[in-house]
Amino acid sequence: QVQLQESGPGLVKPSGTLSLTCGVSGGSIRSTFWWSWVRLPPGKGLEWIGEISHNGKTNYNPSLKSRVTILLDKSKNQFSLELSSVTAADTAIYYCARDSRELLGPWGQGTLVTVSS
Amino acid sequence: SYDLTQPPSVSVSPGQTASITCSGDKLGDKYVCWYQQKPGQSPVLVIYQNNKWPSGVPERFYGSNSGNTATLTISGTQSMDEADYYCQTWDSNTVVFGGGTKLTVL
Repeated sequence: QVQLQESGPGLVKPSGTLSLTCGVSGGSIRSTFWWSWVRLPPGKGLEWIGEISHNGKTNYNPSLKSRVTILLDKSKNQFSLELSSVTAADTAIYYCARDSRELLGPWGQGTLVTVSS
Repeated sequence: SYDLTQPPSVSVSPGQTASITCSGDKLGDKYVCWYQQKPGQSPVLVIYQNNKWPSGVPERFYGSNSGNTATLTISGTQSMDEADYYCQTWDSNTVVFGGGTKLTVL
């Protein structure tokens, strides 16, 4: 059974770069899926950030595209998120999830990232 | 960009039927998923490909999609169904979520 787990700093300073990793266990990141990042800001709804395919192709939310980079690390069976020039508006619970183009799942447990000085 | 519109809130009495709508341009031509999210938990898939049930989801959760509107119907609503519900689809190689609907069972 595939499981995903987010990891990374819980606190990032304004104007800095948010960096998270999603470790995949129970399956290979080389399999033909897309690997997504989604966030849930406090008091708001789910927002898709972007995704990367098993062969490294990426798609990003147009509203975040200029600040987002998603990378694949096949050797560690994980993928990562970098979000630059963060502000308080980027404070959220960040989730990683597998996308089969039929559904998003499984999901990681989520990790809270707070942007504050 | 493609937009999905949901009502912010829906209220239902226990045992009654709740309906949550999700509207988007020609949405009936796309596959729609529905996720349930409770506070402090990750989203849980309750419907995929418009009307299919993931393993373990009771059939009182029912999905439909036609024209510009997809609907999640919950029959015999229980207090445990109180949660936020999100519709989701794909458009032009992007994942799109609706704004979410808070279902209150009272």
